[in-house]
Amino acid sequence: GAGVSQSPSNKVTEKGKDVELRCDPISGHTALYWYRQSLGQGLEFLIYFQGNSAPDKSGLPSDRFSAERTGGSVSTLTIQRTQQEDSAVYLCASSHPTGVEQYFGPGTRLTVT
Amino acid sequence: AQSVTQPDIHITVSEGASLELRCNYSYGATPYLFWYVQSPGQGLQLLLKYFSGDTLVQGIKGFEAEFKRSQSSFNLRKPSVHWSDAAEYFCAVGTGTASKLTFGTGTRLQVTL
Repeated sequence: GAGVSQSPSNKVTEKGKDVELRCDPISGHTALYWYRQSLGQGLEFLIYFQGNSAPDKSGLPSDRFSAERTGGSVSTLTIQRTQQEDSAVYLCASSHPTGVEQYFGPGTRLTVT
Repeated sequence: AQSVTQPDIHITVSEGASLELRCNYSYGATPYLFWYVQSPGQGLQLLLKYFSGDTLVQGIKGFEAEFKRSQSSFNLRKPSVHWSDAAEYFCAVGTGTASKLTFGTGTRLQVTL
């Protein structure tokens, strides 16, 4: 596609449920990043993939958060046993193998009730 | 670890007036610097980037930014603001190719007619 796509655009879930957020990067972009944007914490890095490997997971806030990437393309961010503090906009970005700039998707707004 | 400070949380300017948004960074080596813009409900759009060469960089939508190593600054400027420029602006620092970005807290720009 022309840009980074994310689905769903909005997700409302009950506390304690698991959710999966999907990111489809720009074709040919081998690097993929997840960030979280919340009122209290601003924009925070979560995890970075190079191909299917995740050399930097340092931003994942707890073991309830995990992510995977398959085929060097689509990535899924999974949050288990969601808590109200997980409510935020989750942004995905990708970058070209030789590029430094990251291109962002529109985000998934997660609301935990 | 790198960090970014955007001292102005909210700025209001009149349409047609000039604009300068401040950004200060902290990083021991030569940083990779970016400005992104976010309109309500949208993802982040890259305005411009700097990582080497000419310290005055031009971006999209008539924006420019100047890297000043001595001041650890990367301020964003526009000579004449348009009402459509109203949005939130984020400064970010990276450490190289395929590295996470560290964002400032953002500056919300309001444009009065």
